[in-house]
Amino acid sequence: AAGVIQSPRHLIKEKRETATLKCYPIPRHDTVYWYQQGPGQDPQFLISFYEKMQSDKGSIPDRFSAQQFSDYHSELNMSSLELGDSALYFCASSLYRSGELFFGEGSRLTVL
Amino acid sequence: TQLLEQSPQFLSIQEGENLTVYCNSSSVFSSLQWYRQEPGEGPVLLVTVVTGGEVKKLKRLTFQFGDARKDSSLHITAAQPGDTGLYLCAGEGNFNKFYFGSGTKLNVKP
Repeated sequence: AAGVIQSPRHLIKEKRETATLKCYPIPRHDTVYWYQQGPGQDPQFLISFYEKMQSDKGSIPDRFSAQQFSDYHSELNMSSLELGDSALYFCASSLYRSGELFFGEGSRLTVL
Repeated sequence: TQLLEQSPQFLSIQEGENLTVYCNSSSVFSSLQWYRQEPGEGPVLLVTVVTGGEVKKLKRLTFQFGDARKDSSLHITAAQPGDTGLYLCAGEGNFNKFYFGSGTKLNVKP
């Protein structure tokens, strides 16, 4: 069965650079979530989209933005990167009201 | 502050032992999920419980949702090294929002 696809899996950037992460949800899933997970921490919710509209916003910095496109894939854009942005970024998809989240393998961002 | 508190935070046991992980909140959730995460990988959904008092079994894993839908437990019987990982509970609130617990890091020694 198709799972959530994230790219790239690994990304190394310098401070003040920009980065874009991509997420392709499970087919027919209408909701996408972005999470940030630091070492030894639980996933922190950043932002979510339902049917291509932003549905909720968590602890996403103003330097970050995201959107969901007509084919339901989503992109997380991160600018003016800081050392503290180094983390695993997960995308999860869901069918609205199903009560289940399915996570991708994650994108590991390292900011040097 | 964490909406969902998990305990214990760390657990190191011998193969064959039993264990229980707890997930507690003062909030009511429409459903609650348990995930297992291995280092560098995404959390994998183990189970979803929806009804208060519901009990679900997945081989050696038993999940229970509290009667008031505020808490849950995960019991593992005869733990194996392959059970090692980070166990996360997540509660579904209003508007399809999910709240994660702080996680329980389990290490099962052979």
